Amino acid sequence: RKEVEQDPGPFNVPEGATVAFNCTYSNSASQSFFWYRQDCRKEPKLLMSVYSSGNEDGRFTAQLNRASQYISLLIRDSKLSDSATYLCVVTTFMNSGYSTLTFGKGTMLLVSP
Amino acid sequence: AAGVIQSPRHLIKEKRETATLKCYPIPRHDTVYWYQQGPGQDPQFLISFYEKMQSDKGSIPDRFSAQQFSDYHSELNMSSLELGDSALYFCASSRDRGKNFFGPGTRLTVL
Repeated sequence: RKEVEQDPGPFNVPEGATVAFNCTYSNSASQSFFWYRQDCRKEPKLLMSVYSSGNEDGRFTAQLNRASQYISLLIRDSKLSDSATYLCVVTTFMNSGYSTLTFGKGTMLLVSP
Repeated sequence: AAGVIQSPRHLIKEKRETATLKCYPIPRHDTVYWYQQGPGQDPQFLISFYEKMQSDKGSIPDRFSAQQFSDYHSELNMSSLELGDSALYFCASSRDRGKNFFGPGTRLTVL
């Protein structure tokens, strides 16, 4: 079982729609959680951190449920420029004491006019 | 703002050749990570360095090695290249755990 799982999509939505992505992680010891955005053939870019209390950044809202090991991202009022792959990322501490990121395979979002 | 710099951006090699990829992290970032992303795949963690010391090792093949130098730049050395090594190689740097800032990547094609 992959450590971080996401629905690959694609999610096809019209402009202005609200869309939600989910992600589950298997390692209960995971410490930090993030959503990254990756455009085709470009590098991943940090979108936002995810906290248990939930956090919002403009049209984007992220939520973490530690008990269910579940992370979500909600995008309101979708724009054409939101079309990208959204990567769920989990930080896990290694035996060395340092941490590494584990990526989900990503969920593709396509916003159409 | 300064970003992570990677060179070269594109590299074409033949099987069994060697390749060296370079990464220049954002100034004052103390951790460098290397990732490999195959076509249609998520980035796979290869190796990381904290303050010039190797901190963690992921799925890096034995044919690959990496190091971080005194000026904090890092190099990924790849030998005996195989067709399956063709991928995008990202370097990322960080000052906060988890908040990786990625470079534009090096696209390696092995023929």
